[in-house]
Amino acid sequence: QKEVEQDPGPLSVPEGAIVSLNCTYSNSAFQYFMWYRQYSRKGPELLMYTYSSGNKEDGRFTAQVDKSSKYISLFIRDSQPSDSATYLCAMSGTSYDKVIFGPGTSLSVIP
Amino acid sequence: DVKVTQSSRYLVKRTGEKVFLECVQDMDHENMFWYRQDPGLGLRLIYFSYDVKMKEKGDIPEGYSVSREKKERFSLILESASTNQTSMYLCASSSSIAGLGNEQFFGPGTRLTVL
Repeated sequence: QKEVEQDPGPLSVPEGAIVSLNCTYSNSAFQYFMWYRQYSRKGPELLMYTYSSGNKEDGRFTAQVDKSSKYISLFIRDSQPSDSATYLCAMSGTSYDKVIFGPGTSLSVIP
Repeated sequence: DVKVTQSSRYLVKRTGEKVFLECVQDMDHENMFWYRQDPGLGLRLIYFSYDVKMKEKGDIPEGYSVSREKKERFSLILESASTNQTSMYLCASSSSIAGLGNEQFFGPGTRLTVL
């Protein structure tokens, strides 16, 4: 079993849809959870960062962590064509541990 | 605007060649990383460095070496390139300051093709 699993997609949605991106993980020691967005031919950039369980909202984006289920989600409301990218979940145990990345989910938002 | 730059966006090399990939960051970060990214496998850590002249093996160090002579520069070396090293190579940096978690800043990547 991989340490972090993510549905690779591709996921295609119409503009304005609500998008749900998910990751599962096996290491219960993970406490820091991140979502990176990677546009085509670019490096990943940090989109959301959460410590421990709970929700965090930033504009149209909401990150959700359920440590009891070892499951994290990223919700995108009112999706836009500019949200078309690959989304990578990432996590670590402490702020000094290596970060483990998921394989990424490719998202296309169709106008 | 913080920046991580990589020496080449695209590189084509022949089997057996020695290949140098360079990365420079302007954020005075202590930590630097080299990853390779392959479809379905995601980002895999090759090597990382916590300080000048320090290096640690990541998950897939075989066939690679690194050099960090200056804080801002981290080089990845393929001693004898092979076709299975054809990949996208990403450099990243992060700060060691506690409280910033593990936000990593990535370069644009180098797509290396080994023929």
